[in-house]
Amino acid sequence: EVQLVESGGGLVQPGGSLRLSCAASGFTFSSHWMQWVRQAPGKGLVWVSRIDKDGSVTTYADSVKGRFTISRDNAKNTLYLQMNSLGAEDTAVYYCARGKTRLEAGCWGQGTLVTVSS
Amino acid sequence: QSALTQPASVSGSPGQSITISCTGTSSDVGGYNYVSWYQQHPGKVPKLMIYDVNNRPSGVSNRFSGSKSGNTASLTISGLQAEDEADYYCCSYTSSSLVFGGGTKLTVL
Repeated sequence: EVQLVESGGGLVQPGGSLRLSCAASGFTFSSHWMQWVRQAPGKGLVWVSRIDKDGSVTTYADSVKGRFTISRDNAKNTLYLQMNSLGAEDTAVYYCARGKTRLEAGCWGQGTLVTVSS
Repeated sequence: QSALTQPASVSGSPGQSITISCTGTSSDVGGYNYVSWYQQHPGKVPKLMIYDVNNRPSGVSNRFSGSKSGNTASLTISGLQAEDEADYYCCSYTSSSLVFGGGTKLTVL
């Protein structure tokens, strides 16, 4: 069974940093592109970042470029999102998901909530 | 990376059919046959309903169908049921990202 489990969310002050992790199991992690998507409270889904199978290709939404870094450790079957210079607009549930051209069925994490507030 | 355009809300009665549109550009919806649709019930993780414009994952009802014409994709739900009431998001692959629509709230009257 495919499982993606996010962790690392929480309350952080404006200007602070957090690192999200997404532990993958039940599939060959190194064979799949991975993505981060976020959803602010009461708002829609927004794509954040993606990474290719070996971590050599990464892209970002304009809103996070230069502040967020996506990475992966295929030996540990784990996806990461390093988030710096956080602002209130980054408050959201962050989901990791598997896929390149779509976010594959049954291959989403349950989400981790990031709250940026003083 | 502008969001795709969806109607904010649609509604229909049980048994009826509804269609949700999703308008993008030639750089996203019109440029690739990689449009997907997601259903999200309150407090739940989004669920993939349609991928690659008109394909259904295993287990998704054949009441859900997708299509595309030019820069506009559409999701049609036939034989509306109460459990279809949810938010629906379209999504398109691009060469540098995925881009979502703003979401459509479906109300089953």
